[in-house]
Amino acid sequence: DAKTTQPTSMDCAEGRAANLPCNHSTISGNEYVYWYRQIHSQGPQYIIHGLKNNETNEMASLIITEDRKSSTLILPHATLRDTAVYYCIVRVARIKAAGNKLTFGGGTRVLVKP
Amino acid sequence: DVKVTQSSRYLVKRTGEKVFLECVQDMDHENMFWYRQDPGLGLRLIYFSYDVKMKEKGDIPEGYSVSREKKERFSLILESASTNQTSMYLCASRDTPGEAGGNEQFFGPGTRLTVL
Repeated sequence: DAKTTQPTSMDCAEGRAANLPCNHSTISGNEYVYWYRQIHSQGPQYIIHGLKNNETNEMASLIITEDRKSSTLILPHATLRDTAVYYCIVRVARIKAAGNKLTFGGGTRVLVKP
Repeated sequence: DVKVTQSSRYLVKRTGEKVFLECVQDMDHENMFWYRQDPGLGLRLIYFSYDVKMKEKGDIPEGYSVSREKKERFSLILESASTNQTSMYLCASRDTPGEAGGNEQFFGPGTRLTVL
């Protein structure tokens, strides 16, 4: 799996958009970008994933650069409940074997402030 | 929405006890996983299962066993609990991957186990 680099931490004002960057310069053609988050003392939560095109769901938007070497997770209107560690992961698609463990790097600690 | 539940949020056991951690998912997923999460070590895979009665070792299976008698339930067993098994235990489930992505794992809330 390609390595990812994320800022260690960032603050965001409640109600504003939070833009979380991730660098994955060694990504290969069949690797997807996934985002998870983990709120303190809870299990990780899947947010969104994408391959080439920008993606949006009820939680967030994912913007992937044309060269796919970086991406940005956007939380459009951050709330206090969005305070969490956010993990960017790059994984090969269509894994048949179930041994598809997740490995989280350091992630970005996002603190949403009132 | 997928729901993954774990039998306990907090558990305190004594060294040498046999410990059972239960996980249930309600989305008919074929694949289930047990991880432990420790500060500075991230997520580490203990065991996974890709079908009923099927199991595979993950990275750190020593001291653990698992059971998958029904599709929706995956149990983690600590045969003889030790203090170094004090950790947050996370269960996850995932459907069999299709054409796109297929790496979305859905996690339970976790069980924080303390072994005294």
